[in-house]
Amino acid sequence: DQQVKQNSPSLSVQEGRISILNCDYTNSMFDYFLWYKKYPAEGPTFLISISSIKDKNEDGRFTVFLNKSAKHLSLHIVPSQPGDSAVYFCAASAGNTDKLIFGTGTRLQVFP
Amino acid sequence: GAGVSQSPSNKVTEKGKDVELRCDPISGHTALYWYRQRLGQGLEFLIYFQGNSAPDKSGLPSDRFSAERTGESVSTLTIQRTQQEDSAVYLCASSQMARGRLFFGSGTQLSVL
Repeated sequence: DQQVKQNSPSLSVQEGRISILNCDYTNSMFDYFLWYKKYPAEGPTFLISISSIKDKNEDGRFTVFLNKSAKHLSLHIVPSQPGDSAVYFCAASAGNTDKLIFGTGTRLQVFP
Repeated sequence: GAGVSQSPSNKVTEKGKDVELRCDPISGHTALYWYRQRLGQGLEFLIYFQGNSAPDKSGLPSDRFSAERTGESVSTLTIQRTQQEDSAVYLCASSQMARGRLFFGSGTQLSVL
């Protein structure tokens, strides 16, 4: 039972354009969401998070949008840079547990 | 140390052998997590330690898997009688507080032949 889903395994975007990575979840108890970035042979690193009391959180080039009614969140990267090429994971947790549930990841490639 | 340290970085073992994976979290981090990532898959939750509370073992796939943590420091993940399907990258993460941002180690690549 995949509670956090990233339906696009890969995405290719030209440098300077916007990258939009999507994530859907099924558990209505999830109230805290995070995005992590992973380079090969390294552990994931935290990018940005959002609480369910908000619908948007912005940090520099990265913005996360949360649509609770649709159980959907997205990560926007603008402008995209070649160094953004990595696998991106969304993750979620519910208020009654500290366990983070991760999606399957989306591989982003930013080409010149 | 400055980050989460995992050892070994690579482990090749024969089917049926036991393996022990080690994680040194960031000093002062009370929460510690183990995840695994099989080839082409997402991060699969295994176990979570928070302070002196009983660990959340709900993600351990079978009774061949166990983990311990000494206080708020080192953790070891033990896999007994390894099977080929145990081959994966095992990732450890720590956090300063419950529901805090996780800091991951580089992982242990386990290959069971």
